[in-house]
Amino acid sequence: QVQLVQSGAEVKKPGASVEVSCRASGLTFNFYYVHWVRQAPGQGLEWMGIINPRGGSTTYAQKFQGRVTMTGDTSMTTVHMELSNLRSDDTAVYYCARGEWEFKANAFDIWGQGTAVIVSS
Amino acid sequence: DIQLTQSPSFLSASVGDRVTITCRASQAISNYLAWYQQQPGTAPKLLIYAASTLESGVPSRFSGSGSGTEFTLTISSLQPEDFATYYCQQLNSVGTITFGQGTRLDIK
Repeated sequence: QVQLVQSGAEVKKPGASVEVSCRASGLTFNFYYVHWVRQAPGQGLEWMGIINPRGGSTTYAQKFQGRVTMTGDTSMTTVHMELSNLRSDDTAVYYCARGEWEFKANAFDIWGQGTAVIVSS
Repeated sequence: DIQLTQSPSFLSASVGDRVTITCRASQAISNYLAWYQQQPGTAPKLLIYAASTLESGVPSRFSGSGSGTEFTLTISSLQPEDFATYYCQQLNSVGTITFGQGTRLDIK
């Protein structure tokens, strides 16, 4: 079964960092991009950035530049997203998603189950 | 960044109704537009890509159209499982992807 499996929920204090992982099952990231999207409680979807796991190149949304780091491992099956200097408004569910650039005009066709991150003192 | 404006933001309809959601882009994006359905507490699900291509496994009552700056998602005959929130997404440039604000579809 092709799926993306994310790490578990996190509770962090303001100013701390959080790392969320996204592991591919039944597929690899060899020929795909991986995106990160977040959703604050009751709010819409917000794109955070993209990583090409094959070469490690990244592009981050301007809002998160300087605070977010996306990396991939050499197995081409796991990517990580680290968000630093957390604030209360970073409380959200964080999703990874596969970007299918070749056949689906870059659409996000497979999503992880989401990881809840709560930032609270 | 390219802005997407969905309308309406809220929609109330009945089972069997035909509904249409519109997504307008602040600049032309060719056909680099996707539509997603999100049920509460779950990840979004891809419905339509390249503005009008139905994702595998998605029922044929869903359809998409448009190009340039104006796009629509139509559900031809609403089923109980279709009551959810719908998002459009522009993918014209993978470095600056944006979503519409969402349309919540409720049962009348």
